[in-house]
Amino acid sequence: ILNVEQSPQSLHVQEGDSTNFTCSFPSSNFYALHWYRWETAKSPEALFVMTLNGDEKKKGRISATLNTKEGYSYLYIKGSQPEDSATYLCASLRGANNLFFGTGTRLTVIP
Amino acid sequence: DVKVTQSSRYLVKRTGEKVFLECVQDMDHENMFWYRQDPGLGLRLIYFSYDVKMKEKGDIPEGYSVSREKKERFSLILESASTNQTSMYLCASSSAGQHTDTQYFGPGTRLTVL
Repeated sequence: ILNVEQSPQSLHVQEGDSTNFTCSFPSSNFYALHWYRWETAKSPEALFVMTLNGDEKKKGRISATLNTKEGYSYLYIKGSQPEDSATYLCASLRGANNLFFGTGTRLTVIP
Repeated sequence: DVKVTQSSRYLVKRTGEKVFLECVQDMDHENMFWYRQDPGLGLRLIYFSYDVKMKEKGDIPEGYSVSREKKERFSLILESASTNQTSMYLCASSSAGQHTDTQYFGPGTRLTVL
């Protein structure tokens, strides 16, 4: 993997469903993996920053895992709600402070 | 409450005009960044700055310049706007040094160049 890749590109789920999506990133020279949520007409907002292989982070109904050896991270949303509708971005940190972003997964939760 | 503000939410300019996009942060952050976001592409880094009067090129600096005269303010300049610079522009800031420091984003400026 040379770039940060996210899948799927978009996703529609029913309210109450659980869902997950994937971020793949270069496993060499890994520093950190960031997840952001970007709601329409708002600023991207940080969800998690993960650095250690096997790391798991949780914020309410949203959680994320990290595998630095194989270069992927999963984001899980349990019991999706309409307010979870957003684009979820992951970014791999390269060098001291620069993030390289994936194209995002656009989630729509249908009431 | 942390805040990054951008001077305009929407901007329409003509080809060849000089365009200034302003970004201000109130968190005393050392690092500031300018990105553009286009459909089907991730956020792409245009320029960043680690300190006042310092700037570094990102992945797509062509056609842009930046200015950082004060710590809290980072300006993106389109010297002669072209239609392929029509995009959403996002500014971000972060504190220096830690890999776990998140970037805080402004709300974006949607620029249309006619």
